[in-house]
Order: sequence, then C-alpha cells, then structure tokens
Amino acid sequence: SQKIEQNSEALNIQEGKTATLTCNYTNYSPAYLQWYRQDPGRGPVFLLLIRENEKEKRKERLKVTFDTTLKQSLFHITASQPADSATYLCALSFNFGNEKLTFGTGTRLTIIP
Amino acid sequence: NAGVMQNPRHLVRRRGQEARLRCSPMKGHSHVYWYRQLPEEGLKFMVYLQKENIIDESGMPKERFSAEFPKEGPSILRIQQVVRGDSAAYFCASSTEGYQAFFGQGTRLTVV
Repeated sequence: SQKIEQNSEALNIQEGKTATLTCNYTNYSPAYLQWYRQDPGRGPVFLLLIRENEKEKRKERLKVTFDTTLKQSLFHITASQPADSATYLCALSFNFGNEKLTFGTGTRLTIIP
Repeated sequence: NAGVMQNPRHLVRRRGQEARLRCSPMKGHSHVYWYRQLPEEGLKFMVYLQKENIIDESGMPKERFSAEFPKEGPSILRIQQVVRGDSAAYFCASSTEGYQAFFGQGTRLTVV
C-alpha cells in the first residue's frame, strides 16, 4: 500500500527565513499532489495542487515542487512569518474526479519571531 | 457562499449509544468525502458519496458504520454502538468534478 512520509514531526524556523517541508511517497506516482494547512481544532485548508506532469507551482510566498523520479514533493514558504505556524499536510490522489486523498501525518511548523 | 458545514462541532456519547454526524456540502458540490483523524495521526479516508450513491467505502469499518447522502438534506455519518476507539475528529469534505476538496471544521466525537 502507498506510504507517505513527511520529513519531521516538528520544524522550527526563524522568522524571515525559508521553511522547506518534504513529502516522500512509495510505490506508484499519484495523479496529483496537494498541500493543506491545519490549525489546532480546525479542518484542513487547501493551499496548492500540483499535477504529475508539472514540476513547480507557485502562489504568493508558497512554492511546491514535484519530482516523480525521486517520488518527492517539496513545499517552501519564503519570508516566513509567525502566522505561518501550523501543521502542514501532504496529500496524494490517484484518480481524476475522485477526491479520495491519502494524507501524510503532517509536519508541525513553528516560526520563531 | 457558506463553506462546508458540519454539526455538531462536539459530540459526547456513552459507550453503546449511536452517533450521528452531519455534513452540508458547499453550494453546488455533489461529491462528499468523510475522513477520520485519530489523535496524533493523519487523516484517513472513510467513504466517498455522490447524491444517493456510495462510490467508494473502502476506508469504512464494515460493522457499525454507515453513511448516506440523500437527494435532499445533508450527508450523515452514522456510528452505532460506539466504543472508546471511535473517539476522533471526523471531517467532511466536498467538491465538484475537479480535484480540490474543501473541508469542514470537523466533529469531535468523545466516547465516555
């Protein structure tokens, strides 16, 4: 079965620096990969989606890369702010039109002022 | 345009009781997904429904759990004869034909 690993349970980054989170998966490559943010006691909030034929996607201070050879996605937050502190979830989907997602366990990011 | 609405936000049930969790998808969304998040674990897919149809229930326990999404009204996740191990946060997500799902705020079920 598909396994998803996110780099570390917790990551502390100094404010203003770039935070880089890693998502590695085993077996076959997904049709697309998504990143979500989850705050304590809240539901996941969609951030970015990247398809298997795309290498990179950007949205404001966020950037996602997708390397199907390495079976890895990197999620970058540039110019990080304390408000970026949250848990970030990587999620894979293998079928278009079916939003059945397989989630990683998440990385808890803390931006230190 | 309201987001995905789940109620109740918190639900306490005694062992053996039934739990009913409701999810109203975003306006115009006909696909509903239920996920469960156990403490310190990731979200696990349970079931995918479209109006009046269960499309994929591969993540749902075979016993005590059922889900429906009627033609009118919200989607319901029903857990019969709850046990302590059912305590978790249950999230609903909705989408249209596309790939992006919008999640609700979840229902936190506590079984005492």
